[in-house]
Amino acid sequence: SAVISQKPSRDICQRGTSLTIQCQVDSQVTMMFWYRQQPGQSLTLIATANQGSEATYESGFVIDKFPISRPNLTFSTLTVSNMSPEDSSIYLCSVVDRAGNEQFFGPGTRLTVL
Amino acid sequence: GNSVTQMEGPVTLSEEAFLTINCTYTATGYPSLFWYVQYPGEGLQLLLKATKADDKGSNKGFEATYRKETTSFHLEKGSVQVSDSAVYFCALSWNRQFYFGTGTSLTVIP
Repeated sequence: SAVISQKPSRDICQRGTSLTIQCQVDSQVTMMFWYRQQPGQSLTLIATANQGSEATYESGFVIDKFPISRPNLTFSTLTVSNMSPEDSSIYLCSVVDRAGNEQFFGPGTRLTVL
Repeated sequence: GNSVTQMEGPVTLSEEAFLTINCTYTATGYPSLFWYVQYPGEGLQLLLKATKADDKGSNKGFEATYRKETTSFHLEKGSVQVSDSAVYFCALSWNRQFYFGTGTSLTVIP
């Protein structure tokens, strides 16, 4: 299994500002993902964070709005840029085990945009 | 393609009642199947899993059996507790891709 921590755990931000969320894993992992969970909704995959190269974004998500860094195999950041109230969500970091069969999640970052 | 369909909520049960949350899947291959639980204010935690047909995953009194013939992975618990109140997600993985259901909210009242 993998132990994942995220910072901050929650934040309240003003419209137009940006927030960077950090994800730290206790072991080296190849596959790392960022999800969004809007209130009362299921998970939506934002992107796959690739170590040493640009992230792979899902349809509807763009790098300018959600820039991602992955400098090594244990760490990634997601920035939510130029925020609006519609960005209020829980943002979840997740990793996949070496076999590629099991996914583990961080505790999430609860973001409220006013 | 691959997808997961799970029973819509919310579900409200009295303590010690029997729980079933239905989950069916569509997959092009032979996926692994999972149930995740999300307690209020927290991230997702893996509850149980099954990697092949007829496997039964179990944890904390919850069980689910991988049924290939009905493409189902229903979650069951014989006697729920107030502390089981959470959102439950069914998921599958195939070829390093993961697919989640929409989640079922469970509230257990004393």
